Amino acid sequence: EIVLTQSPATLSLSPGERATLSCRASQSVSTSLAWFQQKPGQAPRLLINDVSNRATGIPARFSGSGSGTDFTLTISSLEPEDFAVYYCQQRSNWPLTFGGGTKVEIK
Amino acid sequence: EVQLLESGGGLVQPGGSLRLSCATSGFTFSDTAMSWVRQPPGKGLEWVSAFTPINSGTYYADSVKGRFTISRDTSKNTVYLQMNSLRVEDTAVYYCAKAGTWEWGQGTLVTVSS
Repeated sequence: EIVLTQSPATLSLSPGERATLSCRASQSVSTSLAWFQQKPGQAPRLLINDVSNRATGIPARFSGSGSGTDFTLTISSLEPEDFAVYYCQQRSNWPLTFGGGTKVEIK
Repeated sequence: EVQLLESGGGLVQPGGSLRLSCATSGFTFSDTAMSWVRQPPGKGLEWVSAFTPINSGTYYADSVKGRFTISRDTSKNTVYLQMNSLRVEDTAVYYCAKAGTWEWGQGTLVTVSS
């Protein structure tokens, strides 16, 4: 099973600041990595597919990068609605796995 | 518009069984892989199971293998999760999700408790 480790667990930032979230895989997942956003009481929402492809309707301030085992989700300038929990997911191997999540909170 | 609607959750005693359903619309269900993902209260996401139509393949997390079974009815555009030998640690909101665009239902809560 591929283990995904997300860091930091919590990121305290102010609106307008840049957020950088990390996801590290225990073995290569090639480009089969996605990012999801989840707000309290809601289902997760797909942000990024295949490392860097934004899902439909996702603003350009969200971007993904990386390959192999190290991946990054960047939010260029935080909007109030971006404060949420973010999860990475690998689809390279069965079983699919999620990282433990990074909570982006208002400082 | 893609729609996914889970049902079948509830309170069950340890060792009991439940069958979850996910009724879908707005896409070609027969050609689409589907997953179940769960989230224990206050915790993160855990992928549970998937069905892939290409080879009628079924896949499971180790934590549920041998106890849960995924299936589908293409005439009803519905995917199911049969959960047997339930444990307290299976307590979670269970979501179904459509592969590709990874759209999700609203979830259904399963509580395993005596």
